[in-house]
Order: sequence, then C-alpha cells, then structure tokens
Amino acid sequence: QQQVKQSPQSLIVQKGGIPIINCAYENTAFDYFPWYQQFPGKGPALLIAIRPDVSEKKEGRFTISFNKSAKQFSLHIMDSQPGDSATYFCAASMFQGGKLIFGQGTELSVKP
Amino acid sequence: NAGVTQTPKFQVLKTGQSMTLQCAQDMNHNSMYWYRQDPGMGLRLIYYSASEGTTDKGEVPNGYNVSRLNKREFSLRLESAAPSQTSVYFCASPPPEGQGTAFYGYTFGSGTRLTVV
Repeated sequence: QQQVKQSPQSLIVQKGGIPIINCAYENTAFDYFPWYQQFPGKGPALLIAIRPDVSEKKEGRFTISFNKSAKQFSLHIMDSQPGDSATYFCAASMFQGGKLIFGQGTELSVKP
Repeated sequence: NAGVTQTPKFQVLKTGQSMTLQCAQDMNHNSMYWYRQDPGMGLRLIYYSASEGTTDKGEVPNGYNVSRLNKREFSLRLESAAPSQTSVYFCASPPPEGQGTAFYGYTFGSGTRLTVV
C-alpha cells in the first residue's frame, strides 16, 4: 500500500514534443505529490508539487494532472528541450515534510 | 550556501569492511533522511530522523545503522559491507510542514557513490 508505481522507465522524444510520465498510488492517506528532477551526478531537486484538492497545476512548461478517483497523477512537459533531459521521479507522502515514497524513476532524453 | 553536505563523494570498500557516511545540514531543519538509489528502483528510504534524538527504520534498513548526533548531523554506518550495498546514497532534509504557502521540497545532498567489491 506504500508503493508508488511509475512508468515508463525510459522515454525518448524530439525537441518540442510533450513527454508524459505516469504514476499510480494505493494509499489514500497520501496528501502531497511532488515531482523531482535529477541530473547526472546530482541529487534530486523539487520540480513541481500538488495536493489532491486540485486536478491540475502548471508551473512554466511543467504540468501535473491529478485524478484522485483513479489514484493516478502524471507529469507533462510542454515544448520539451534538450536541457530537460534528466531522470524524473514522482513521489507521495502523508504531508509536505513527511516521509517521501518515490516511484521507480523515468529517464527522459530530449533529442535536438 | 545553505544546504545538505555529504561526505565522502566516492568510496570503494571490500566486503566485510565498515564505514560511516556523513551528512550535515545548515538549514535548522528537524527531519533528516537517508535514501539509497539503485537503477530501476527509484529512491528507497533506509532510515530517517524526525527530530534530534530520534531515529526510525525505513523501507530497507537491514545492514545499516544511523546516529543523529545533533540537529545538524545524521550519519549512516555500514558495519559489514556487502556487494548488495553498492549504491548511491543520498541524505535529504525537508522543511517543517506549514512553512510558508509555497511547496518546499526536500533538499538533497549531492550523494555518495559506494562500491563494495
């Protein structure tokens, strides 16, 4: 029940494409759903986050879509750029500063 | 710069050797976490400390011990390293819930890449 399942494991898109990464969770007590971005050799960094009282959140080219009834959420990257090439992790926790349960990660490559 | 500092950055151990991974944060946060990152498995929680003087097991605690030395420092010890502990280890610290209205994420260190041969 603590798991967060993420797909796909890897993704290749052309510059300008819209990669979509999906996550699913089981525990309905989760109340905070962040996405982290990680570049090689670095620690993950918060990209965008959402709480289940909204269905969508946008920050720049990054959008989270949230479906509470399906217990699923996804990350969309509009007009993707080669600089977006990184590993992306979804996560969930009971509250903002609580234990984060991470998905398996998606390695995104944006080709010029 | 405020953040999380991990040492060492790289380490090679022989099976059975011991070592301690060090982590320090200068953000005055209460909570600190240790994760390991393995390909295809994401980041898995090893141990965490919700406040100075307390520690709790996470998802994969076997083979590890931790010490919350003070509010700033949280160390991870491998008493008898095994090849299965080859991984990248991250220390992280979140701000307290309710800090401001924006979302504040965990601050991660830059990681320790450990190889056990």
